Amino acid sequence: DVVMTQSPLSLPVALGQPASISCRSSQSLVHSDGNPYLNWFRQRPGQSPRRLIYKVSNRDSGVPDRFSGSGSGTDFTLKISRVEAEDVGVYYCMQGTHWPYTFGQGTKLEIK
Amino acid sequence: EVQLVESGGGLVKPGGSLRLSCAASGFTFTSYTMNWVRQAPGKGLEWISSIRSSGSDITYADSVKGRFTISRDNAKNSLYLQMNSLRAEDTAMYYCASGLVGYWGQGTLVTVSS
Repeated sequence: DVVMTQSPLSLPVALGQPASISCRSSQSLVHSDGNPYLNWFRQRPGQSPRRLIYKVSNRDSGVPDRFSGSGSGTDFTLKISRVEAEDVGVYYCMQGTHWPYTFGQGTKLEIK
Repeated sequence: EVQLVESGGGLVKPGGSLRLSCAASGFTFTSYTMNWVRQAPGKGLEWISSIRSSGSDITYADSVKGRFTISRDNAKNSLYLQMNSLRAEDTAMYYCASGLVGYWGQGTLVTVSS
């Protein structure tokens, strides 16, 4: 199985400051169709996860442009340019290239 | 508006069975792969099964293979998960999610305990 490793696992950030989460996969996430199926999700306390980014860098509808995804191969990053109070939650990366799909451990973002 | 509504969770004894359902609306259900993902209390996310749009291509996580069966009824825009031989470690919130795990339901809680 592809192992997804996130860092850091805990991320205290002051309001208005940037934040960055790293996600590394144990093998390349480039699918045979040429696409890299790497998603980012946020789960707020008591809520279902919500997808923010798909295929590394594509923002889902309604996701603010302060969120951006980048990376290739086995190294990926989610960046928040200026953290707001509503960004609190646990962030997960997930690969959908290889069966079984696998998630990272989660990164808990809190306001400092 | 895309809606996914799970149902069928509850308390069951070890070795028992449950059938979860997911009612979909707001998108062309027949065109999308559908997935089940679970989350044990206080833990992370675990993908457990996917079924392609036609229903002919199915994949399971090793943790549920041979015990769980995913199915869909495209005429009813519904996804199912038959869970047999349940164990304490299957206790979790179970979510259905569409396509590339883009939309999620609110989840249904399954508790396996004597």
